[in-house]
Amino acid sequence: GDSVTQMEGPVTLSEEACLTINCTYTATGYPSLFWYVQYPGEGLQLLLKATKADDKGSNKGFEATYRKETTSFHLEKGSVQVSDSAVYFCALRRGTSYGKLTFGQGTILTVHP
Amino acid sequence: DVKVTQSSRYLVKRTGEKVFLECVQDMDHENMFWYRQDPGLGLRLIYFSYDVKMKEKGDIPEGYSVSREKKERFSLILESASTNQTSMYLCASSYPYRGGTEAFFGQGTRLTVV
Repeated sequence: GDSVTQMEGPVTLSEEACLTINCTYTATGYPSLFWYVQYPGEGLQLLLKATKADDKGSNKGFEATYRKETTSFHLEKGSVQVSDSAVYFCALRRGTSYGKLTFGQGTILTVHP
Repeated sequence: DVKVTQSSRYLVKRTGEKVFLECVQDMDHENMFWYRQDPGLGLRLIYFSYDVKMKEKGDIPEGYSVSREKKERFSLILESASTNQTSMYLCASSYPYRGGTEAFFGQGTRLTVV
């Protein structure tokens, strides 16, 4: 079945440091890939997405590129802020699955001033 | 703005009680989902529905049931609550899959079973 694996957390960074959160997936066909973010006390909200190989999703300074050859969708940001502290989830969605999302285990990011 | 609203942010229930978690969406979405969120496990799908009165089991349906009598409302039912059902429950809705169609989430219900 489908699966998503994220790097182990939690991740603690100083403000303005570079961020990479690794995400790899296993799925048949050509899934769409997503990063969702969960701020403290809130539900999940979409951060960015990519629907086909070599697509780059970007939003709020975050980027991720759909790499089919390595089945990866790593999240990157060049300079993190305290306000980026949250839980980040990588997810995939296939067209044959009623649009069900399969999530990774989540990565807690804490950014210190 | 799309809104997915869960009826409670926090709930405390006793073991053996029947528990209802309610979710309402205002975007006329066909698909609705219930996920459970636990630390280190991410989100796991309990049940989903792709139309009124239609439902499908997800990955962890044991101990749960659902009801969808109206398009905008999707209820999760814990038939007899147990302490291992203490968790964060998230409802989501979306259009049927079309490329990168995203799912929209409610704010979550943190359920404690004592």
